[in-house]
Order: sequence, then C-alpha cells, then structure tokens
Amino acid sequence: EVQLVESGGGLVQPGGSLRLSCAASGFTFSSYSMNWVRQAPGKGLEWVSYISSSSSTIYYADSVKGRFTISRDNAKNSLYLQMNSLRDEDTAVYYCARDRKWDYYDSSGYWGQGTLVTVSS
Amino acid sequence: EIVMTQSPATLSVSPGERATLSCRASQSVSSNLAWYQQKPGQAPRLLIYGASTRATGIPARFSGSGSGTEFTLTISSLQSEDFAVYYCQQYNNWPPLTFGPGTKVDIK
Repeated sequence: EVQLVESGGGLVQPGGSLRLSCAASGFTFSSYSMNWVRQAPGKGLEWVSYISSSSSTIYYADSVKGRFTISRDNAKNSLYLQMNSLRDEDTAVYYCARDRKWDYYDSSGYWGQGTLVTVSS
Repeated sequence: EIVMTQSPATLSVSPGERATLSCRASQSVSSNLAWYQQKPGQAPRLLIYGASTRATGIPARFSGSGSGTEFTLTISSLQSEDFAVYYCQQYNNWPPLTFGPGTKVDIK
C-alpha cells in the first residue's frame, strides 16, 4: 500500500525557516517523481514544486522560487521541502504527492495527509 | 500560465440525482486534465486522468469528458459520500501545474 506521511509543519514567524519531510513507503520511491502542493485555509489547491525521480529536474511555482528548495533522498525514501524567508501567505497545509505513473506525469495519484504550516508573529 | 476556471462554485444536488461539473482552460490542454475529490479535513483523491479515464478504484458513476478547453465531470447518481469539493487540474503545459478553484457539491 502506498503511504506518504508528511511532517515538520508548525508555527513560525515571518522571515523564518522550516523544513518539511515526506516519508514514502509501499512503492519504489526512487522510480517516481514527486510534487508538493499546498492549500491555504479555506482555499483551493496550489502547486508548489516538482522533483524528478533522480533529482535531475526541479521546478518551482513563481510564488516560492528563490525561497523554497525541494530535494529528496532516495536511499531514505524521503522527500523534503526547505522553506526560507517565510511569509504570511505561505500559511497552508502542505501535501506531498506522488505521480500516478513512473515515466511521465499524468496526475498526482497518491497524496499524504498534509502538514500545517502557520506563519504568524 | 494556463488558468483553469470551474462552474458553478457550488452545486446543490439531492442524493440519487445527477451532478454535472464544468471546467474550462484558458487555452487548449488537449486531454491532459485530471479531476480530484476532496472531503473536509482530507487530502485530495484522484478521480479522473486523461480527461476521461477513471483512476483505480473509482466507481463507474464518475465519468469525465471533454478535450481542448472544455471539460465535464459527471456523477450519475449522487451518493452521500460524494458530497465534497471537486478540482480540475491541467498538466498539458507546465510548470506550473494549475488547478481550478473548485466546485463544492452539497446536499440540496
């Protein structure tokens, strides 16, 4: 069974940093690209970042470019999101999501339960 | 960036009735469109990819159609567990992956 478990969320002051983790199990993590998607309270879904299976390709939403860094450790079956220079508008539940297929993106087939990041003074 | 819009924002439907949700893209996304269902306090769940292919385990009452810029998600006979928010997402031209604002299906 595919499982994705996020952790690392919490309360942080504006300008602060936080590192999110996503522990994967139930599939060959090193074969799949991954995404981070966030959802502000009461709002819709917003794509944040993508990383290919080998980390060779990385993309960011303009809203986080230069502040967030996605990475993965295939040996540890883990995905990360380093978030720096946090702003009030980064407050959201952050989900990690696995591509449905291993070879190209055609949807996010599996999602974690999310971890809440609150940016507030 | 491709902008996705959804209508209506809220759809009130009685159990057993048919629900039709619309999604529109600001430019053609071919058939590279997915639909997700999200219930309160839960993560999104993939329903449809490729505009019309049901994901594993999704009941046949869910169907997707359309291509280009106009798409439809149809729930043929609403069950109690189907009351949720539904999002469309394009993956034809990315980054960024873009989602619609969602349609909330609630009980009439």
